[in-house]
Amino acid sequence: KAGVTQTPRYLIKTRGQQVTLSCSPISGHRSVSWYQQTPGQGLQFLFEYFSETQRNKGNFPGRFSGRQFSNSRSEMNVSTLELGDSALYLCASSLAVGQPQHFGDGTRLSIL
Amino acid sequence: AQSVTQPDIHITVSEGASLELRCNYSYGATPYLFWYVQSPGQGLQLLLKYFSGDTLVQGIKGFEAEFKRSQSSFNLRKPSVHWSDAAEYFCAVGGSGAGSYQLTFGKGTKLSVIP
Repeated sequence: KAGVTQTPRYLIKTRGQQVTLSCSPISGHRSVSWYQQTPGQGLQFLFEYFSETQRNKGNFPGRFSGRQFSNSRSEMNVSTLELGDSALYLCASSLAVGQPQHFGDGTRLSIL
Repeated sequence: AQSVTQPDIHITVSEGASLELRCNYSYGATPYLFWYVQSPGQGLQLLLKYFSGDTLVQGIKGFEAEFKRSQSSFNLRKPSVHWSDAAEYFCAVGGSGAGSYQLTFGKGTKLSVIP
């Protein structure tokens, strides 16, 4: 069974640009969550989608957005990039609330 | 609000020695508790989980954890550490408020293993 797939693995952008990251969940998983990981703040919850609906959102500015498609694949978008957005962005999928979340290898975003 | 504290930022043990990583959580109801491990440049791998029932849970790679409600703790243990266990370990608590599902992670404990 294929795991969670995130693309691309690495991205380099400059301040002010925007970026879109992609996540394909494990087959059959309808819940997709996104997390940001930085050395200073650790792992922080961004948002969670289930059946194309955002059910919960963490404490991030509106520049961070996401969506989920009917096949459960998800994308997250960050607009007007700032240096502080440099991080590892992790996607996780799960079968349902309370079931373990399975993580992808992440997308490493670097802002110059 | 839910929170997780991992008091030890970095632990160094000798190969073959026993290991205990500490985790304390704060959550209003019965929590879902998890331990994940992360190797450099990779995502998080689930080691074990606690939902309910037996408070001693077994995981992969010889790890176990014990849920102690009275102490709000969920410590991870391994009787004999292998060099390949060197990695960063994260404790997480999951909530299902408002029908959603998010994990709150501790800051992590980095484990170094001396051959």
